[in-house]
Amino acid sequence: SQTIHQWPATLVQPVGSPLSLECTVEGTSNPNLYWYRQAAGRGLQLLFYSVGIGQISSEVPQNLSASRPQDRQFILSSKKLLLSDSGFYLCAWSQPTRGGETQYFGPGTRLLVL
Amino acid sequence: DAKTTQPNSMESNEEEPVHLPCNHSTISGTDYIHWYRQLPSQGPEYVIHGLTSNVNNRMASLAIAEDRKSSTLILHRATLRDAAVYYCILDTGNQFYFGTGTSLTVIP
Repeated sequence: SQTIHQWPATLVQPVGSPLSLECTVEGTSNPNLYWYRQAAGRGLQLLFYSVGIGQISSEVPQNLSASRPQDRQFILSSKKLLLSDSGFYLCAWSQPTRGGETQYFGPGTRLLVL
Repeated sequence: DAKTTQPNSMESNEEEPVHLPCNHSTISGTDYIHWYRQLPSQGPEYVIHGLTSNVNNRMASLAIAEDRKSSTLILHRATLRDAAVYYCILDTGNQFYFGTGTSLTVIP
C-alpha cells in the first residue's frame, strides 16, 4: 500500500532563517506530487506541483521554492523565511492525471515563523 | 476569485442526514468535482468525486446539478466522527481548487 511521509511535524523558525521541508512517498512510482499551504482557518492553496523528477510548476509567486531530486521525494525550501510564511504545509500525491484522480495527503508540517 | 463557494458552517443532529451545498458556477466541461474533509491538524481525506452523474460510495453521496454549476454532498446518517471541515474542490486536471470549506458540527 502507498504511504506518504512529511517531516518535521512542527517547526519554529526565526524570520530570515532558511527552511527545508521534506516529503516522501512509498509504494508507487512516477506520482504527481504537490505542496499546499493552509493559513489558519483557511482553505488550501497550491504552491507547487511536479509531474516528474526535476519538473516543478509554481502556482504562487513567493520566496519559496521546490525541488524533486528523486521520483518519490519532494522538498520545499526557502532561503529566508518571512512572518507570512507561517502556516500548515501539506504534501500530497496522486497518480498521473488529466482529472478525476484522488490526491492523498500527508500529515502536514506546522510552521511558525517568529 | 474562489472557484467554489460553500457556507462557512452547518449543524446537524446525530443520525440525521446532512446536505452540504457547493456552488461552482464557472465550472468547465472537463472539471471534476471532489469533496474532501479535514480534521484539526490533519491532512484532508478523500470523500467522493464525480464529473456529471450522481455518485454513491460507502461514505457519502454526491448529487450534481444538471447544469453542473452546483453540487451537494450528502451524509446519510451523521455521526460524531463526521464532524470536520468539508471542502468542495474543482479539479481541472492540472490542480485542485479548494473552497474555504464548511465546518460541520454534529450535535449528539
